[in-house]
Amino acid sequence: DVKVTQSSRYLVKRTGEKVFLECVQDMDHENMFWYRQDPGLGLRLIYFSYDVKMKEKGDIPEGYSVSREKKERFSLILESASTNQTSMYLCASSLSQALGGYTFGSGTRLTVV
Amino acid sequence: QQPVQSPQAVILREGEDAVINCSSSKALYSVHWYRQKHGEAPVFLMILLKGGEQKGHDKISASFNEKKQQSSLYLTASQLSYSGTYFCGTETPGGTSYGKLTFGQGTILTVHP
Repeated sequence: DVKVTQSSRYLVKRTGEKVFLECVQDMDHENMFWYRQDPGLGLRLIYFSYDVKMKEKGDIPEGYSVSREKKERFSLILESASTNQTSMYLCASSLSQALGGYTFGSGTRLTVV
Repeated sequence: QQPVQSPQAVILREGEDAVINCSSSKALYSVHWYRQKHGEAPVFLMILLKGGEQKGHDKISASFNEKKQQSSLYLTASQLSYSGTYFCGTETPGGTSYGKLTFGQGTILTVHP
């Protein structure tokens, strides 16, 4: 029973393309997050949302945007993909105070060529 | 700023113990611990709230020293299933954190038979 679903496991895109990464959760969580994971750097927060249509920048938002039109769906957009955005992207969700921890999706490995 | 985890990697034999540390330069409201097995999503282990509590989860426990802004994860009598990368995630008080976590760079734990 998958609870946080990311639309693609692997993705290859060309430099300059507009890329959409989709994430859907079925736990009625208020919070949703996008992290990127790179070796030796851990997980770094790109954007998060604590309510529909609400978003806040994380630590590395440059080159990214997000959309949350419905509570269950949080999209990450790369406006013009670049090779330095090649990474593993993880979506997560949680209740508002995250007392039960985050539930992560399986990740999307994006390669920009 | 990301919390700092130590050690970066540790190798054990089954039955041995290990300690993973997480240190922050900022005052903390809570600390989360996650384990990620190779090719899988991170999985929530436990949360510690300010107050210096210690929690347990099977043979895995953790402590949180609010004054030192540090948390430690204790793995006792390690099993092969404990292998993976362990991440701490820290939440700072105030603002619009809404359960927003900043993760450390991870500690790779390998347990051999």
